[in-house]
Amino acid sequence: QQQVKQSPQSLIVQKGGISIINCAYENTAFDYFPWYQQFPGKGPALLIAIRPDVSEKKEGRFTISFNKSAKQFSLHIMDSQPGDSATYFCAASGAGSYQLTFGKGTKLSVIP
Amino acid sequence: DAGVIQSPRHEVTEMGQEVTLRCKPISGHNSLFWYRQTMMRGLELLIYFNNNVPIDDSGMPEDRFSAKMPNASFSTLKIQPSEPRDSAVYFCASSSTRGEAFFGQGTRLTVV
Repeated sequence: QQQVKQSPQSLIVQKGGISIINCAYENTAFDYFPWYQQFPGKGPALLIAIRPDVSEKKEGRFTISFNKSAKQFSLHIMDSQPGDSATYFCAASGAGSYQLTFGKGTKLSVIP
Repeated sequence: DAGVIQSPRHEVTEMGQEVTLRCKPISGHNSLFWYRQTMMRGLELLIYFNNNVPIDDSGMPEDRFSAKMPNASFSTLKIQPSEPRDSAVYFCASSSTRGEAFFGQGTRLTVV
């Protein structure tokens, strides 16, 4: 059972555009939702995270939007740059747990 | 800190051989994770240690896989005997804060 569903699988965005990646979860015990960024040949790295007590979190050009009732959250990358080209993973963890359940990833390509 | 250190970075082995992957977590981190990444299945959690004790090994695919953490600064993942379907990138990650895992560079395993 896939507990975190991520879409789209791949995304091509023009430089300066907005990249949007969506995730949906099933387990209502999840209470922490990070996003990881992975460049080729590297391990994933934490990008930004949100807890369900807020509906939005912004860090620079990266914003997480969270909809608790719909059990969905999304990553928005504003003014997308070629350097943002990477694979992005959403994830979730439950109360008291260090374990992360990852989505299957979105390969983002930002073209000039 | 040098981050999570994995060795080797690349491993090519013949089917049936024993393979040992090594990980040195970040000093002070009390949680350690082994993940496997493939195109088809994404990032899969294999096993999770907390304070050197295995907490959840439900992701270990079969008895051919085993993991140990003899002390806080070292862990191994062993596959014996290896099979071509084990070919993947194996990541080790460590954490001291819930949801914030730091990944190593990974070991790319090819079983021929």
